[in-house]
Amino acid sequence: EADIYQTPRYLVIGTGKKITLECSQTMGHDKMYWYQQDPGMELHLIHYSYGVNSTEKGDLSSESTVSRIRTEHFPLTLESARPSHTSQYLCASSGTARAYEQYFGPGTRLTVT
Amino acid sequence: KNQVEQSPQSLIILEGKNCTLQCNYTVSPFSNLRWYKQDTGRGPVSLTIMTFSENTKSNGRYTATLDADTKQSSLHITASQLSDSASYICVVSPDNYGQNFVFGPGTRLSVLP
Repeated sequence: EADIYQTPRYLVIGTGKKITLECSQTMGHDKMYWYQQDPGMELHLIHYSYGVNSTEKGDLSSESTVSRIRTEHFPLTLESARPSHTSQYLCASSGTARAYEQYFGPGTRLTVT
Repeated sequence: KNQVEQSPQSLIILEGKNCTLQCNYTVSPFSNLRWYKQDTGRGPVSLTIMTFSENTKSNGRYTATLDADTKQSSLHITASQLSDSASYICVVSPDNYGQNFVFGPGTRLSVLP
């Protein structure tokens, strides 16, 4: 079982609200990732980080932002939620030795009404 | 363009039967290929990881094969159980640095009693 956690697991929120999805890992991994996944569809990378104070945008354009102030913590923020943001958000991490081996969190299911 | 294709898109089998899922990729260069199992509403969990020099790897009732020449991989599930019902995702990486991951769309497996 991977030591990577996401909160909340489910979130229903109204349009225009600001939300932060939390992701934490206790494995000391330097690399962390955020993916967006619609039901039955593939994962799309929206943000990644190679270490503290390092963040990059992924392949999928996203209106969200991320920060990496501590190694173990990689929160994702939506300043103004819209119905188009309704999706599952998955956080992952990987270490230095086997950087290709990603560990995923349980996901946050976001619904914007 | 780096791509990963999986077939079939969905599969229904009876409990106790075997099945084989396919993954074809055009990712180049090739470093490693991973199979993940993703239960509905959960994050993916790694089943197998194979590098260029490996052509088969087992994890319990799951056996993955890799043909790097034809750029094909398969995941064979033996004596299926109801708990095998999930999506199975093939992921290919062109490097070991944790920078690039190409995800397939997944195969949705349903095991019926």
